[in-house]
Amino acid sequence: GPKVLQIPSHQIIDMGQMVTLNCDPVSNHLYFYWYKQILGQQMEFLVNFYNGKVMEKSKLFKDQFSVERPDGSYFTLKIQPTALEDSAVYFCASSLGFNQDTQYFGPGTRLLVL
Amino acid sequence: GDSVTQKQGQVTLSEDDFLFINCTYSTTTYPTLFWYVQYPGQGPQLLLKVTTANNKGISRGFEATYDKGTTSFHLQKASVQESDSAVYFCALVDVGNTGKLIFGLGTTLQVQP
Repeated sequence: GPKVLQIPSHQIIDMGQMVTLNCDPVSNHLYFYWYKQILGQQMEFLVNFYNGKVMEKSKLFKDQFSVERPDGSYFTLKIQPTALEDSAVYFCASSLGFNQDTQYFGPGTRLLVL
Repeated sequence: GDSVTQKQGQVTLSEDDFLFINCTYSTTTYPTLFWYVQYPGQGPQLLLKVTTANNKGISRGFEATYDKGTTSFHLQKASVQESDSAVYFCALVDVGNTGKLIFGLGTTLQVQP
């Protein structure tokens, strides 16, 4: 099936540093998403993005978070500065349409903030 | 707000056993319902999806029926295999919203040979 790639697979950084998580979505998809999963807890929606703009963001999407997809390249999630509670697995997803369309997920980036 | 509840955190079965994973949901509209499966080291992948109430989704021997009356979407399989061992997530998207998926906590299925 369609593949979403995420780079890096693991990242360890010190609290207060900046981190950028990269997502290579399915090539013809138009809608992009980030989800956060803390071990043993639910997968939670962070943000979705279409046509260069954030459509919706959750309360987990703090002011330190930002997303962009410059010129059709990687869809990125940037956290600046990072905090201890940002440690989690971050999953990127993409879909052709929104609402009922199937979202295809990447394998996740495991972020550890020390 | 919208929510999805999976009561079972872990299910352990033997091969050829019957599988039942409980899922109930709460919304103010008629959502699209999903089951996603996640294998170790991978992201969730779609197992089945149902958009209309009282319809059934079937895939790879798994099935789930959208029950509007009981607001449930339980997952079943007649005979599990060791390769079915994974984490299963029930999820919903509310009609008319921006595609935000709301997930249950997940149920870890372990099938012993």
